[in-house]
Amino acid sequence: NAGVTQTPKFRVLKTGQSMTLLCAQDMNHEYMYWYRQDPGMGLRLIHYSVGEGTTAKGEVPDGYNVSRLKKQNFLLGLESAAPSQTSVYFCASRDPPGGFSSYNEQFFGPGTRLTVL
Amino acid sequence: GENVEQHPSTLSVQEGDSAVIKCTYSDSASNYFPWYKQELGKGPQLIIDIRSNVGEKKDQRIAVTLNKTAKHFSLHITETQPEDSAVYFCAALYTGTASKLTFGTGTRLQVTL
Repeated sequence: NAGVTQTPKFRVLKTGQSMTLLCAQDMNHEYMYWYRQDPGMGLRLIHYSVGEGTTAKGEVPDGYNVSRLKKQNFLLGLESAAPSQTSVYFCASRDPPGGFSSYNEQFFGPGTRLTVL
Repeated sequence: GENVEQHPSTLSVQEGDSAVIKCTYSDSASNYFPWYKQELGKGPQLIIDIRSNVGEKKDQRIAVTLNKTAKHFSLHITETQPEDSAVYFCAALYTGTASKLTFGTGTRLQVTL
């Protein structure tokens, strides 16, 4: 099992450009999450999904959109990148409560380092 | 929503000494508290967790304690080794939909020889 994978690993954008970050998981998890990690601020939830076709806003959703067309994939989009979106982005997934895998554990991908100039 | 505070932000210990990281949470209904270790250039990885019906849990050199009344929990690492050097995050499960976690701001642990 590859677990949670993220594409790309690194990216540099200019202000105003758009891009999509891809998260894929092969653990058949229902729940998926996108976080951003900034120095001194821990991990903050951007958007999440509780199943295929569903998405919801997290703590810091402004400037981002997401889609969950397939259960195994969760896409994070930046329509018009801003320097404030320079960050490391992590995707995570887990089973819902009572699911098959380890109770409550969120599994994280390796991250995407994004720089917006 | 939930708020999690974590201290200290940096911690330096000598190899073989113990390290303690402390967190407090605000939502008294939270019932699950994981600790994640993040090595340089990698994603966070769960190292230990505790549920609210347990006061302490150990796994070899690491242990977590929970005080529900005071709403704080701590990570204890004994006999520290250089490979313990990393950033550690505490988290609390937000009582709502989607089993969302609220994370602390992280502690950078440096184990020196």
